[in-house]
Parts: sequence; C-alpha cells; structure tokens
Amino acid sequence: DVKVTQSSRYLVKRTGEKVFLECVQDMDHENMFWYRQDPGLGLRLIYFSYDVKMKEKGDIPEGYSVSREKKERFSLILESASTNQTSMYLCASSSGQRGNTIYFGEGSWLTVV
Amino acid sequence: QKEVEQDPGPLSVPEGAIVSLNCTYSNSAFQYFMWYRQYSRKGPELLMYTYSSGNKEDGRFTAQVDKSSKYISLFIRDSQPSDSATYLCALSPNAGGTSYGKLTFGQGTILTVHP
Repeated sequence: DVKVTQSSRYLVKRTGEKVFLECVQDMDHENMFWYRQDPGLGLRLIYFSYDVKMKEKGDIPEGYSVSREKKERFSLILESASTNQTSMYLCASSSGQRGNTIYFGEGSWLTVV
Repeated sequence: QKEVEQDPGPLSVPEGAIVSLNCTYSNSAFQYFMWYRQYSRKGPELLMYTYSSGNKEDGRFTAQVDKSSKYISLFIRDSQPSDSATYLCALSPNAGGTSYGKLTFGQGTILTVHP
C-alpha cells in the first residue's frame, strides 16, 4: 500500500513564526503535492513538484514556499505564519505510470494564534 | 462559475438506502474522474477511478460518467453507518507531463447514514 506520512498532525504556532510541515512517501512517486482544505472551499493546491528540486506554483502559493531535496520528501514552509493560514494541510503523491490517481497523507492541522 | 460543482449537503439517509452523489463540470478537457472518501480528521482515500463514460462497479459502489452532459455520479447501495464521511469528486485533464495528479476537486458532500 502507498504510504504518505505527515509527521506533524496537530500544531499550534504564533503569528510570525516560521513553520515547517514535512511529508514523506514510500512509493518512489515522482509527483508530490501540498493542498490546504477549508470548510466551504474544498481542497486547494498550494504547490506541487514533479521531480527533485523542481517545484511549481498551484492555485494559492502566496505566503508559502516548498522544498524537495530528496525524491521521497516534500516540505511546506510558512515563512511568517498568519492567522489566515490556520487550516488543514494535506500532502499527496502520485506516479505518472499509474495514471492520475493521487494518494493523500492523514493531514496536518495547523492553528496560528 | 467553478470548474467543478458539488452539492455540499449535508445528506442524511437511513441505513440500507441508496445514496446518489453528483458533480457537474464545465471543462471538457477533463478526462479522468475520481471519487475520494474522507473520514473526519483524516486524509482523503481513493474510492473509485474511471477515465471513460459509462458505469464502473466495485462492490456496493458504482461510479457513472456522462461526458456529453459533463456529469458524474457515485451511487452507494445498501448504505451503512460506516459510509458516513465526506465524498469528494476529483477531475483531471489528459495525463501528460506535469499534469499528473493536478486534480480539481469538488467541495465535497457530507453524508451521514443513521442506523
């Protein structure tokens, strides 16, 4: 089974703090993604990466950056957390060879106070 | 107009009922259609995947795609309390290059099946 692991499930951070959300997948997938999920807004793509050291902006990249130094690991960085970044963050991965299905992690609940 | 529209519900049905969940879309470039199930405080898990018009069945679940009407459905037969979750439709254009996995999601429908 594909496993996408988000190491931090619940975080509380202060406004202005730098926040790192880590994600690791164990299926050698080329593509990795960060989404945020908010009530009434569904899932929105923040950033994605289709190869090591490659990244592309999704629909809502403002206030976020990402890092992919190794194929299995994709990090989401909030340079200066703000209260409007309180949300559930979902990491996902996919392999082009298997079509367009993507596999999600359990989610990281971030509260910025 | 959103690219994908999904009635957020909530939808409440008795155990054993047939449930119909639907999404409409506007972009004819969408060729891959998925349904995800998401339990409370968990990540979405893939339930059904199809890339053509017609029906696809898996146990109590049937996914239906009508590309001419830009309409997709998920039917759940003999619904169970364990089916209570949020159901998300997800669509993608033709696979190729960096489009892999760039899904467009519906808002999700919250389903409750009560005993």
